[in-house]
Amino acid sequence: AQSVTQLDSHVSVSEGTPVLLRCNYSSSYSPSLFWYVQHPNKGLQLLLKYTSAATLVKGINGFEAEFKKSETSFHLTKPSAHMSDAAEYFCVVSDLEGNEKLTFGTGTRLTIIP
Amino acid sequence: GAGVSQSPRYKVAKRGQDVALRCDPISGHVSLFWYQQALGQGPEFLTYFQNEAQLDKSGLPSDRFFAERPEGSVSTLKIQRTQQEDSAVYLCASSIALSGTSYEQYFGPGTRLTVT
Repeated sequence: AQSVTQLDSHVSVSEGTPVLLRCNYSSSYSPSLFWYVQHPNKGLQLLLKYTSAATLVKGINGFEAEFKKSETSFHLTKPSAHMSDAAEYFCVVSDLEGNEKLTFGTGTRLTIIP
Repeated sequence: GAGVSQSPRYKVAKRGQDVALRCDPISGHVSLFWYQQALGQGPEFLTYFQNEAQLDKSGLPSDRFFAERPEGSVSTLKIQRTQQEDSAVYLCASSIALSGTSYEQYFGPGTRLTVT
């Protein structure tokens, strides 16, 4: 079985300061890991994905994540928060066994303080 | 190009009614997925198609839920005798890939179902 745990349900940061959204995963197989973002009343958008290539993955809008197998973590970071980053973020795992179904975490709501 | 589209965007049903939710995937995408997102939660997998074949329906919560993709493109999720606990956003996603690879799933805007 595969699962992800998002350690914070809500994170608030000031505009211009770093963002850290934490995620731990559990998978019986070599996982593929993703971060998706969901803005209010908009569809889910892929930020970045890890599929056993480079452990440091760069995504859109300045976000990046590092796969750490020893810590079973895939935390999402951004050096400087922007007001437009306010949204719900989901850490997601897929184990490629049989199909590509995605298992989502419960989400982290990111609030940006002006 | 066009993304994944879903219709209707909003649906209000009285308890006990049947509903049908439509998904138009990106043209040429082999894989199609349905997810259910309850309020304040992450999406949960319902079912998966590869072309017209339904390869995994392990996430369907009850036999009132039925999905089909008869020609390997458009898919319909049907819920019979709706209950209040069925209220959620139903998301459709498509992917270009066959199983065993990990390509991006493109999500539609969802259908928000409210059962009264």
